[in-house]
Amino acid sequence: DGGITQSPKYLFRKEGQNVTLSCEQNLNHDAMYWYRQDPGQGLRLIYYSQIVNDFQKGDIAEGYSVSREKKESFPLTVTSAQKNPTAFYLCASRNLLRSGTQYFGPGTRLLVL
Amino acid sequence: GQQVMQIPQYQHVQEGEDFTTYCNSSTTLSNIQWYKQRPGGHPVFLIQLVKSGEVKKQKRLTFQFGEAKKNSSLHITATQTTDVGTYFCAGEDDKIIFGKGTRLHILP
Repeated sequence: DGGITQSPKYLFRKEGQNVTLSCEQNLNHDAMYWYRQDPGQGLRLIYYSQIVNDFQKGDIAEGYSVSREKKESFPLTVTSAQKNPTAFYLCASRNLLRSGTQYFGPGTRLLVL
Repeated sequence: GQQVMQIPQYQHVQEGEDFTTYCNSSTTLSNIQWYKQRPGGHPVFLIQLVKSGEVKKQKRLTFQFGEAKKNSSLHITATQTTDVGTYFCAGEDDKIIFGKGTRLHILP
């Protein structure tokens, strides 16, 4: 949705390679989230952050890492420890004071070569 | 742990027929949100329900939140081809849990 960008749209990873997915928002939202979506499946939470320089593991954090050095940015690194990284990765942000609505970025499709 | 179950997983309807998807939570929710994801797209927020027994309408879409705040439904009246996509509920307790979604396919 408007205000959240993800890049690249498609990403190819070689075996043993770390790759970083970008997520930027200009909505001044405090909270940001990373989800993984597999074909025909729902969204599973990887990591989330509610404040700069702080983040928490979600349900499937193994093989992933994040950072939150700026309020606007929440990059996700898919490490070589993630053995099945092929999926659609969605970033979302949210205004914690207003609760509820998460605004999603357009997503990044990661494929393993 | 907190779980959100959504049924059915798939639904095929003739254009003009009604459609309903249901969500059930293992815990009492503070709110529930509904999202629509078009094929190849990303989830887009539809609505949030907060109050026990709440009912909200958006044109042909009717959303309900159960009295116990553990279940919810989305009903679409007279489906159109533009309704095609996957509908997700997301229940919030101490964290947000998404249902697996209901994929709606419209037969012309």
